[in-house]
Formats: sequence, C-alpha cells, structure tokens
Amino acid sequence: GAGVSQSPSNKVTEKGKDVELRCDPISGHTALYWYRQRLGQGLEFLIYFQGNSAPDKSGLPSDRFSAERTGESVSTLTIQRTQQEDSAVYLCASSLAAGGDGYTFGSGTRLTVV
Amino acid sequence: KNQVEQSPQSLIILEGKNCTLQCNYTVSPFSNLRWYKQDTGRGPVSLTIMTFSENTKSNGRYTATLDADTKQSSLHITASQLSDSASYICVVKEGGSYIPTFGRGTSLIVHP
Repeated sequence: GAGVSQSPSNKVTEKGKDVELRCDPISGHTALYWYRQRLGQGLEFLIYFQGNSAPDKSGLPSDRFSAERTGESVSTLTIQRTQQEDSAVYLCASSLAAGGDGYTFGSGTRLTVV
Repeated sequence: KNQVEQSPQSLIILEGKNCTLQCNYTVSPFSNLRWYKQDTGRGPVSLTIMTFSENTKSNGRYTATLDADTKQSSLHITASQLSDSASYICVVKEGGSYIPTFGRGTSLIVHP
C-alpha cells in the first residue's frame, strides 16, 4: 500500500482481556518497528523486525506483550491480560532498509483499558 | 544512557509569528538527527534529517540547525500557520544502532 496501515484505529477493552493490534507495512519495507506512546511521553521502543532475522524484543515491557511478523509482511502486536497502564497509542513504522533510516509511521492504534 | 531533551514542553503563538524549538542530546556516536511533526491522532512525519556534516537544512517554512559540537539542534518555524499546531519531536540516531532515541516533543499551538 501507499502507507503504513494500522488497525483498529481505536480499541477500548476491559482490564484482563487480550488485544491484538495489526500493522500492514509499506510493501517491500524489510524493517518494522513497534512503539508505545503514552500521553505526554516520548515514543518507547517495543520491538524491531528485520527481514527473516530474529526480532529484537528488548523493549517489550513484560511477558504479556508479544509480536509476530510473517516474512516482510503484516505484523501483529498482542497484549495479554491487559492492564490500565497499557493504555497508550501503539505506533508501527516500517523502513526500506535495515537501521530504520527514513521510516514511515502509521497513524497508530489508541488503546484504552477500562 | 542516550538522552534527547526538548524545550519548551509547550508553546502558544499567534498565527504569522515565528518560533524556535530546541533539542539537546547526549547520543554518541552521532549518526543523524531528525525532526518530526506529529498531528493529533496521526503518526509522526519526518520534516528534516541532518547528518554530522550538515549545520542547516530547510523544508519550506521549517529550518533546522545542528551544532554537533555542542550537541544541540533547533527547529525554526517562519510565519506560522494554524496547521502548524502539532507536536514536534526530535529524534537522534546513534551510529551503528537501529533504535533511535526520541525526545518527548514540544507541543505547539498556533492561535488565530
């Protein structure tokens, strides 16, 4: 597609439920990032995928968070047993080359845990 | 630890006025510095990118400067418009790393 597409754009869920967020990167982009943006805070790195290499999961805040990516296509971020502190905007970005230069962000998924 | 500090945290100006946003960083070794604009409800969009050898770069009414010696950058907005209301984020990439460091952003509000 022309840009990075994320779905849903908004998600309200009850505490304790699992949620799955989706990211469709720009076709041909080998690198894909997930970030979390809490209100009034900077972007927090969560996870990085590069081609078929093992992902860098060093930013995942707990074992309730996981992400998958099939090849160089769609990625899903899953949050299990959601907590109120998980409420944030989750942003996905993709780039053509490894290293993240020139990456394009999606519009994000706004997650609210009630 | 790599850090990127931005100031002011928020800024309100009248339409047509100029403003300057600041970014100080401790990232080393330095690779590049980007300024992003993030409209409400949208993802960040890159405005400028600067490498070590560049000390100024313009994109329309946006002009970024970089002083790699003092590790400071600024984003100057000329003749502000209502559509400039957004968060402006400074992002610095460390050489050899694929995870850049993001500042918290400056929230700019332009009033008519």
